[in-house]
Order: sequence, then structure tokens, then C-alpha cells
Amino acid sequence: QEQLQESGSGLVKPSETLSLTCTVSAPAIDSHYWGWVRQPPGQGLDWIGYIYHNVGTKYKPSLDRRVSISLDISKRQLSLRLSFVTAADTAVYYCARGETYYDVSSGNAHYIESWGQGIPVTVSS
Amino acid sequence: QSVLTQPPSVSGTPGQRVTISCSGGISNIGSNSVNWYQQLPGTAPKLLIFNDDWRPSGVPDRFSGSRSGTSASLAITGLRSEDESDYYCAAWDDSLNGFYVFGSGTRVTVL
Repeated sequence: QEQLQESGSGLVKPSETLSLTCTVSAPAIDSHYWGWVRQPPGQGLDWIGYIYHNVGTKYKPSLDRRVSISLDISKRQLSLRLSFVTAADTAVYYCARGETYYDVSSGNAHYIESWGQGIPVTVSS
Repeated sequence: QSVLTQPPSVSGTPGQRVTISCSGGISNIGSNSVNWYQQLPGTAPKLLIFNDDWRPSGVPDRFSGSRSGTSASLAITGLRSEDESDYYCAAWDDSLNGFYVFGSGTRVTVL
């Protein structure tokens, strides 16, 4: 059964870099889109970005200059780095497996099929 | 402020049919398919509907989706107490080199 497990520091100081890892137990890790979604306390879901092995990454435009997502196939790990964090980056961070395709009727279709349990991260001094 | 707008809350009695609207624009819902996620309190979201109206295995057929123009909707028929949850629409947005966007979320309350 597929599992996504987030790990990393739950407390980050302002202006420092948030680093999280997601260990994936799923077949064909190199054949899916892997990404991150966050949810600030009491608020809605916020897409951060995704990566597809040997294809590249897509990031939320407002985070583009601070975020980096990478995938280590051999370790079966997805990583997130978010630099220069502020209190606004406090959230539960979810790693996720998505699918993407294009056809005439659906346009650009992207959806998230599988989610980790989430890891809370607080930005505070 | 989300690109996709949903009503903050919707309520209904058991057995009733409720609908949740999701309003967007030409670069997202107007061009690309819509997904819906259910998030029970304290848990990770779960994919409920993808590609406008497809249900993943295990999702009851009480849940259905539709898309028209720059809007989409999720319908829940035969409302049950376990449907009390937050629901989010989402779609790909073609602007600014492309990104995925979630709706603002709707809390469904079963009275």
C-alpha cells in the first residue's frame, strides 16, 4: 500500500530555510508527479509546486523565488526547501502524488491522488 | 484570496441534496478540468472528484461533479452525517506559466 511520510524540523526561525523530506513507499516513483501543499492554521489549501523526474518543476508563482523541490529516486525521497521564511509560512505541509495529462476536453488536467499525513511547521524566533 | 471562489458554508439535513459552487475564470475552470477534495477534521485531504465528474474507486456515487463555462459544482445527494467536512475545488490555471490553484473551501454542516 502506498505511503507518503513527511519528516523535518517543526520549528524554523524567521529568515531561515524550511527543509522537509517525504519518504515514498510506492511503485514507479519516477512515473508520477510529486509535490507539496500547505495549509496555514484555520485556512484553506495552498499549492506549493511539483516535480516530475527528468522533466522539471512547477512552482506557485508567488513562491517561485524562495522554493525548491527535488526528488531522489534512489532514496525514494521528495524534498522541499523554502528560504527566507516568515510567520506567513507557518502551516501544515503535505507531500502529495499527483497526475497530469492534457486532452482537448479536459485541457490541462492535474489532480492529487495521494497525500501524506502532513507535518506542522511553525516559523517563530 | 483564492482565485477560485466557493461559499464559506453550506448546510442540509440528512437525506437532502446540497450543492457547492466554485467560480473561476477563463484561465482556470474556463479552460481546464476541475477536481474536488474532501477534508475531514484533522485529516489530510482526499480526492473526491477528478476530471470534472470522475470518481476515484471507493467514492460513493452520492457525490457528483459538473463544469460549465467558468464555474463548477459538487453535488451531494442523500446527505449523511459523515459528509460533514470541508470541501475544496481545484484546477490548473494557465496564466503565469501555469500553476495549480485551490478554491477557498466550503464547510458542509449536517443539521
